[in-house]
Amino acid sequence: GESVGLHLPTLSVQEGDNSIINCAYSNSASDYFIWYKQESGKGPQFIIDIRSNMDKRQGQRVTVLLNKTVKHLSLQIAATQPGDSAVYFCAEKRVNAGGTSYGKLTFGQGTILTVHP
Amino acid sequence: SAVISQKPSRDICQRGTSLTIQCQVDSQVTMMFWYRQQPGQSLTLIATANQGSEATYESGFVIDKFPISRPNLTFSTLTVSNMSPEDSSIYLCSVEGRTGGRYEQYFGPGTRLTVT
Repeated sequence: GESVGLHLPTLSVQEGDNSIINCAYSNSASDYFIWYKQESGKGPQFIIDIRSNMDKRQGQRVTVLLNKTVKHLSLQIAATQPGDSAVYFCAEKRVNAGGTSYGKLTFGQGTILTVHP
Repeated sequence: SAVISQKPSRDICQRGTSLTIQCQVDSQVTMMFWYRQQPGQSLTLIATANQGSEATYESGFVIDKFPISRPNLTFSTLTVSNMSPEDSSIYLCSVEGRTGGRYEQYFGPGTRLTVT
């Protein structure tokens, strides 16, 4: 399908290498930061999130790092595979005092990841 | 997780016409959202579709241009009215669901609209 990431930053890696995708955010009041993966012709798919009171969270082959001092978020993908090729977006979200979500996501610019076999 | 379908998956429309996009979810959800993704861009929230009341629009989006219906907890429509080429985008429906005590947002496959 047609790519939606024609004008986005790109990152090319070799299969098996580790990938690091970066994101700068703007809202200090955000409670959650989330990474989404969007493959061509599909909607964004949730990868991992991190609460604002944490600085690191690990999932399966992925790690998210949060640096609130410089408002920076990164996604590390270990042993990158061709199936990881996609556009990656960071997003911010706030929750209300009761812990239920406002639901509104603010998306960052996105990065095109290409993994070469 | 929620399974979301959208119709149509893509369409090519003439300027001045309107297109209604349907979003169907396989479970009842409180919050449904409509996003726009312009070519080569990130996602921008258009509005929150509220069941039983008017949608809540984000800055830069108005009801006359993007009327939204939410007749029940599993269905919503977005209409793109009086289209121009600048409306060429992917329109995505999204819902919020609770998974293991956490709130996650799920997206439909999108509707790719081209206005000529």
